[in-house]
Amino acid sequence: SQTIHQWPATLVQPVGSPLSLECTVEGTSNPNLYWYRQAAGRGLQLLFYSVGIGQISSEVPQNLSASRPQDRQFILSSKKLLLSDSGFYLCAWSVQGGGGADGYTFGSGTRLTVV
Amino acid sequence: EDQVTQSPEALRLQEGESSSLNCSYTVSGLRGLFWYRQDPGKGPEFLFTLYSAGEEKEKERLKATLTKKESFLHITAPKPEDSATYLCAVQASGTYKYIFGTGTRLKVLA
Repeated sequence: SQTIHQWPATLVQPVGSPLSLECTVEGTSNPNLYWYRQAAGRGLQLLFYSVGIGQISSEVPQNLSASRPQDRQFILSSKKLLLSDSGFYLCAWSVQGGGGADGYTFGSGTRLTVV
Repeated sequence: EDQVTQSPEALRLQEGESSSLNCSYTVSGLRGLFWYRQDPGKGPEFLFTLYSAGEEKEKERLKATLTKKESFLHITAPKPEDSATYLCAVQASGTYKYIFGTGTRLKVLA
């Protein structure tokens, strides 16, 4: 069966520090991978998605970047965090084509607080 | 512009009191509508996919329905463990991404 791992679960970082959040998927190959951010009172906002190694699409201009160094690994990064980067970050995967009957499968999320 | 609006924002029910959550959407060609459940501090958990108007799906006390403009999540005789935030999302034809609503926070009181 497929599983998705996301870490760390919580993170407190000072303004101006770097960030690296990692997500890995097991039990499938060539998945679509996604990074979403969830802010209080707002819907999930798509940040990046990837349909293959090295293929990254950005949805929203921001202080973040994403990379996909391996087929089932997706990394969210920042060189210098801003207060506004605080939020709940979710990684997700889907079969190629973006949806399928089971939709996305989400990771457990990372609560990032920038202080 | 593709958009999803969920109502109400919050709902408190007594155990056994049935109700419905609404998801209104506008999308340029619906590929799928998705319902998720999210517990505090956790990632969303998939519930249902609906593809076309008139389609219905059921799971335990939950039933999802779809029209051309909205979807309903009906909760029959809810229990306290049904308390969660319920999220609706749509996927437009030809795109990978989902557009999410802000969710309905459901609290079921014993």
